Amino acid sequence: EAQVTQNPRYLITVTGKKLTVTCSQNMNHEYMSWYRQDPGLGLRQIYYSMNVEVTDKGDVPEGYKVSRKEKRNFPLILESPSPNQTSLYFCASSLSRRADYNEQFFGPGTRLTVL
Amino acid sequence: LAKTTQPISMDSYEGQEVNITCSHNNIATNDYITWYQQFPSQGPRFIIQGYKTKVTNEVASLFIPADRKSSTLSLPRVSLSDTAVYYCLVGERGSSGTYKYIFGTGTRLKVLA
Repeated sequence: EAQVTQNPRYLITVTGKKLTVTCSQNMNHEYMSWYRQDPGLGLRQIYYSMNVEVTDKGDVPEGYKVSRKEKRNFPLILESPSPNQTSLYFCASSLSRRADYNEQFFGPGTRLTVL
Repeated sequence: LAKTTQPISMDSYEGQEVNITCSHNNIATNDYITWYQQFPSQGPRFIIQGYKTKVTNEVASLFIPADRKSSTLSLPRVSLSDTAVYYCLVGERGSSGTYKYIFGTGTRLKVLA
């Protein structure tokens, strides 16, 4: 089944404890992206990757890191989480980032709470 | 900076046609407009995309005027299961030829029986 998977689905952690949220897609997609969703703010892009080893900042990259060493994986790293990073996180992938191709497939989401 | 503006919420009754309009004054010349649907606790799901005039698929129609500064998502004969948040999406070119997406805050559609 074609899908985007994220792990963990739920995480409660404490301020300053490094964590990684994994994202994997099995559709051979070039484009991958991380979003966070907060009440009243909609979806905001954190980082995105056009292809392996090509990443760029979205609208809210502060406090996050990403890497794209393999096409299928795009982990999100929080080196020193803070309470303002408590949010619902979505990973997404798309076949490519052509202007006429905007269908992104989203993962199930990771609900992160930082105490 | 590409940005979209949508109504925060809308109510409708089952069987009615619903039109949700999005403003995107700074859309790039070659960019498409895309709409997504999101149910609670799920990731967004692609509905439709278009460049100009009208696009129709099995679930919705998308109307884009000639100036492309706005677009209207049309949902025919909505049902209770269409209650969701609908997002209008455009792109923005980032550094080094990369491309990022700009979601708006979405329109919360509530369909009433």
